Amino acid sequence: RKEVEQDPGPFNVPEGATVAFNCTYSNSASQSFFWYRQDCRKEPKLLMSVYSSGNEDGRFTAQLNRASQYISLLIRDSKLSDSATYLCVVYEYNTDKLIFGTGTRLQVFP
Amino acid sequence: DAGVTQSPTHLIKTRGQQVTLRCSPKSGHDTVSWYQQALGQGPQFIFQYYEEEERQRGNFPDRFSGHQFPNYSSELNVNALLLGDSALYLCASSFQGPSGANVLTFGAGSRLTVL
Repeated sequence: RKEVEQDPGPFNVPEGATVAFNCTYSNSASQSFFWYRQDCRKEPKLLMSVYSSGNEDGRFTAQLNRASQYISLLIRDSKLSDSATYLCVVYEYNTDKLIFGTGTRLQVFP
Repeated sequence: DAGVTQSPTHLIKTRGQQVTLRCSPKSGHDTVSWYQQALGQGPQFIFQYYEEEERQRGNFPDRFSGHQFPNYSSELNVNALLLGDSALYLCASSFQGPSGANVLTFGAGSRLTVL
């Protein structure tokens, strides 16, 4: 079982749609969680951290379920510029490592 | 404020050769991590350097080695290149504060092609 699993997609959605990405992690000692965004042939960039109580940043909402070891990212009112790969990232406290999922590709069309 | 800079941006090598990739961390950062990202995959952790020592290592063979210099810059060396080493090599820096080590700033990467 992979340490961090994501649906690779692609998710093809029209502008204005709401789309949700899911991620599961295997290490219960995982302590911190993040979503990174990676544009085609570019480096990953931090999109947002994920807090236990859930958090929102504009059109983006991240949620964490520690009991189920599950993280989600919701994007509302999708824009063409949201087209990218979204990487689920987990910090494992016991190994002091950041583990990346394979990423979920989103394509927003007009 | 310069971010993370990597060089070279692209390079082509043949099997069996050796390669050195370089990274300068973001100003104020003292920790450098290296990742390998194959096409269609997420970044895979190679190793991390702090205070000029390798702190953590991922599941990579000894052909992959590194170094950190007193100015916090770092090098990644790969010996005896294999076709499977073709990938984007990402350097990420962070500050080894109470929580800062979790948040990485990535460089644009060095794209290595092994023929």
